Amino acid sequence: KAGVTQTPRYLIKTRGQQVTLSCSPISGHRSVSWYQQTPGQGLQFLFEYFSETQRNKGNFPGRFSGRQFSNSRSEMNVSTLELGDSALYLCASSPETGSVGETQYFGPGTRLLVL
Amino acid sequence: LAKTTQPISMDSYEGQEVNITCSHNNIATNDYITWYQQFPSQGPRFIIQGYKTKVTNEVASLFIPADRKSSTLSLPRVSLSDTAVYDCLVQAGRRALTFGSGTRLQVQP
Repeated sequence: KAGVTQTPRYLIKTRGQQVTLSCSPISGHRSVSWYQQTPGQGLQFLFEYFSETQRNKGNFPGRFSGRQFSNSRSEMNVSTLELGDSALYLCASSPETGSVGETQYFGPGTRLLVL
Repeated sequence: LAKTTQPISMDSYEGQEVNITCSHNNIATNDYITWYQQFPSQGPRFIIQGYKTKVTNEVASLFIPADRKSSTLSLPRVSLSDTAVYDCLVQAGRRALTFGSGTRLQVQP
């Protein structure tokens, strides 16, 4: 079974621009979560989608948004980019079978550099 | 959310057993304990998960005492490729994972 895939792997943008990142979960997984990883803050939760609905949200400004499609693929968008948005953006999927201890499987990430 | 505390770093040599302990004093009844491994510029990789007592898989063992206020990840016979950051998570629900700064393990030849 293929793992979580993310595109693009690397991206360079300038301040004020917007960016869209894509995530394809493991086949059969219905929940997709997004995280931001920076050296200073570590891994921080952005939001989680299930059945095309945002089910949980972290403490990020409204410039960060996402969506999920009917095939469970997900995109996240960051508008009006700031220098501090430079980070590794990780997507994780889980089967969502209802198990409380369900594991999330991470993709390789998209490294975004904002100049 | 239950907070976790683990050592910032540990050093070991190839072939040794490494034990990393994580404290989670405020763990809730429904919380599971999950360990991830992370290499630089890569996403976390699931290692092992447990609720109580001992869990073992082909990669590691996880020891959880009866009070569940701590857990110990045991890596048998580490190799150079085990040099990584190891994160202990207490899973509050199924969704948002809260990662700490982890334990940086350095394996020497």
